[in-house]
Amino acid sequence: DGGITQSPKYLFRKEGQNVTLSCEQNLNHDAMYWYRQDPGQGLRLIYYSQIVNDFQKGDIAEGYSVSREKKESFPLTVTSAQKNPTAFYLCASSIGAGTGDYTEAFFGQGTRLTVV
Amino acid sequence: RKEVEQDPGPFNVPEGATVAFNCTYSNSASQSFFWYRQDCRKEPKLLMSVYSSGNEDGRFTAQLNRASQYISLLIRDSKLSDSATYLCVVNYLYGGSQGNLIFGKGTKLSVKP
Repeated sequence: DGGITQSPKYLFRKEGQNVTLSCEQNLNHDAMYWYRQDPGQGLRLIYYSQIVNDFQKGDIAEGYSVSREKKESFPLTVTSAQKNPTAFYLCASSIGAGTGDYTEAFFGQGTRLTVV
Repeated sequence: RKEVEQDPGPFNVPEGATVAFNCTYSNSASQSFFWYRQDCRKEPKLLMSVYSSGNEDGRFTAQLNRASQYISLLIRDSKLSDSATYLCVVNYLYGGSQGNLIFGKGTKLSVKP
């Protein structure tokens, strides 16, 4: 079964700690994305990657870091520099940017991060 | 900057009603268009792609007007299970700090018995 998997589903972090959210896809997609969603709000882009070993900052990259060492994996680290990290984090993938029409994104089930 | 605008609603409609959502986009250099559905506390899921000629999937009809830069979603015979937030998404060839997939903030639909 092809898909995109995020783990864990729920995560609690103490203030001042770094934490890493996992995102894995077996859809053979080139592009991967991380979004943040706050209650009642829309999706905001944190980072995206169009190809292995390359990634670009989104609108709200401060306090976050990513890596893209493998095509299948795009982990997100929420660092202690992120002042308000409690949110719903969504990972998505698509065939690739600029590869033609109808390159829709597929989402993982999300990770709900709470700072305690 | 690329923008995708939606009426946030909520749209409160009775079962069986027909409801329409519009979405406008600001940048004409767009490639493709989608409607997603997001249930409360869940991930967005693709509802349908939007084709230039318009397309229909059961009770759902999507239309694209490139000249006026808007897309629409029509839901006929609304069901209770249609209650959700509907996200308009525009795909651009080139990204930037927004990436190539630009999401609207969503329109909330509540279907009442």
